[in-house]
Parts: sequence; C-alpha cells; structure tokens
Amino acid sequence: AQSVTQLDSHVSVSEGTPVLLRCNYSSSYSPSLFWYVQHPNKGLQLLLKYTSAATLVKGINGFEAEFKKSETSFHLTKPSAHMSDAAEYFCVVSDRGTGGSYIPTFGRGTSLIVHP
Amino acid sequence: DAGITQSPRHKVTETGTPVTLRCHQTENHRYMYWYRQDPGHGLRLIHYSYGVKDTDKGEVSDGYSVSRSKTEDFLLTLESATSSQTSVYFCAIRGGQGAQNYGYTFGSGTRLTVV
Repeated sequence: AQSVTQLDSHVSVSEGTPVLLRCNYSSSYSPSLFWYVQHPNKGLQLLLKYTSAATLVKGINGFEAEFKKSETSFHLTKPSAHMSDAAEYFCVVSDRGTGGSYIPTFGRGTSLIVHP
Repeated sequence: DAGITQSPRHKVTETGTPVTLRCHQTENHRYMYWYRQDPGHGLRLIHYSYGVKDTDKGEVSDGYSVSRSKTEDFLLTLESATSSQTSVYFCAIRGGQGAQNYGYTFGSGTRLTVV
C-alpha cells in the first residue's frame, strides 16, 4: 500500500528566505508524485509533478522538487519566499494499486506561513 | 485544463436527510474521485470510479454511496446525513491514459453543513 508523510504540519519563514517542505513516500511500484497548493478557501492547484522523467522537477511560481528514490523523498523547495506563497501544501503519491486502479493518496498537508 | 464542475457549491441540510453531490467533467477521463477535506486530515478518499458503472471504496466510504451512469457524471450520495459528514467535498479527475499521468484536476469543492 502506498502512503505519504509530510514531516512538518507548519513551516514558518521570512519573506525572501528559502522554503523547504518535506515529503516522504512509500510505494510498492514506480510512483508518480505531485505537489499541490491550496490557498485559503480555494481549490487545489497543481504545482509540479514527477512521472519518471527528470528527477529534478520545476514547477510554477519558482518551486521545484527533487525525487530521491534511495531516500523515498520528494521535498519541495523555493529559493526565496513571497508573501503570496502563504498557503497549504499537499504532497501526493499515485501508483497502481493491487486492484489495478490509479489512486492518489494525500499527505496531511503543510501550512506555510510567510512573515514580512 | 480539463473542465470539472461541482454542484452545489454550498449546502446546509438536516441530520437524517439524503444528500447528493454532483461532479461533472467535460473531458473523457476514465478516473474520477471523491474526497473529503477536514482540518488536520488532508484529503481522504471516499470513493472512486474507473469507468462507467465501475466504482470502488476509499478509506472513508462508510455512510456514502456513488454512481456513475455516464462518463461525465460522478454522483456522491449521503444516504442519511450525520453531523460527522460536515466537511468540504472535492471531486477530481485523472489526466492521461494508462500509465501516463498528467496530474489530477480538482473541482472547486462543495461545502456541506449537516445541522
């Protein structure tokens, strides 16, 4: 069975400093991995995805993530935080389950707080 | 982006009444999902569908049923609503065919309050 663990429920940074949101996953096969962002009272927006191509993935708004199979990690980074980055971030793993269906599993989310 | 809409956007209902939420897609995607979002839990899968009339349970399926009679529509029904089902419900579709996965697109959500 697949699972995903977001290691921090809250991350607080100052504007202009780097962002690191940590995600570890467990999967029996070769997973697809995603990061989604959700601003308050909004829907979910895809930030970036890893689907077995390049291990360093670039997304929107300056975010990127690196797939590390040996560490089963897919951490999200950004060199310089902006106030508009304050939101909830979800790491998602998707693989083919034992029944043959593709099911995305969400982490519990990391709330990113950006201080002026 | 693939079109996906949820209705209604907001609903208040009384305990014990049945409630149906609708998810509609304008693409021809095979997979559709229903999630609920609660603080501290992320999104948890209720039910999913992998084709017309093909559905299966997720991790929090008790008290919910689904139906998919057409590719474009996936209905979620609360047979007898309870206060514990107060939540925000999201529908999602999977882009791509087979092993190709272009990502999941989510609807805008339905805020359901059971009083």
